[in-house]
Amino acid sequence: QVQLKESGPGLVQPSQTLSLTCTVSGFSLTSYNVHWVRQPPGKGLEWMGRMRYNGDTSYNSALKSRLSISRDTSKNQVFLKMNSLQTDDTGTYYCTRDQRLGPFDYWGQGVMVTVSS
Amino acid sequence: DTVLTQSPALAVSPGERVSISCRASEGVNSYMHWYQQKPGQQPKLLIYKASNLASGVPARFSGSGSGTDFTLTIDPVEADDTATYFCQQSWNDPPTFGGGTKLELK
Repeated sequence: QVQLKESGPGLVQPSQTLSLTCTVSGFSLTSYNVHWVRQPPGKGLEWMGRMRYNGDTSYNSALKSRLSISRDTSKNQVFLKMNSLQTDDTGTYYCTRDQRLGPFDYWGQGVMVTVSS
Repeated sequence: DTVLTQSPALAVSPGERVSISCRASEGVNSYMHWYQQKPGQQPKLLIYKASNLASGVPARFSGSGSGTDFTLTIDPVEADDTATYFCQQSWNDPPTFGGGTKLELK
């Protein structure tokens, strides 16, 4: 069955770099796009960026200077790296998937990241 | 970016019908999708492409609209429907979400 699972540190110090991994199963990274979406506590959902099925990437313009998404298809993993973290980067980070113009039909359980010294 | 506007909160009694609206700042064709999120859980797809029920979603949920105005309807509302509902468009890039509508039961 389709699964996505996020992993990474729960606590990051201000100005440091966040590294998260999304491990997928039940589908191929060469057939689906994988996106990162985050949610500050008690707030709405923010699209961060995507790894397309063909290896292309796109980023939220507000995060583009700090964000990098990559993948390892042999390990069925998509990676997020974001630098210069601040307290307002605190929140739950999700990976999810879609196909062209489609909805986000499966989501990971999310990983809570706290930015604090 | 396409801005999606939702009313922040609604309160209804069980058994009633409720409509949750989402207005887009520009046309999104029919590429509007709806999600339900309960506290501590990931979003769950309810409706895709404006009016198509996702797999396993009760028929009490329905969607309508095209262009810039969309509606998610729950009829009848049950106690388990207490949640926040988000709309999301995929027609214009980047994909964007509405701010969410928190549904409370009286």
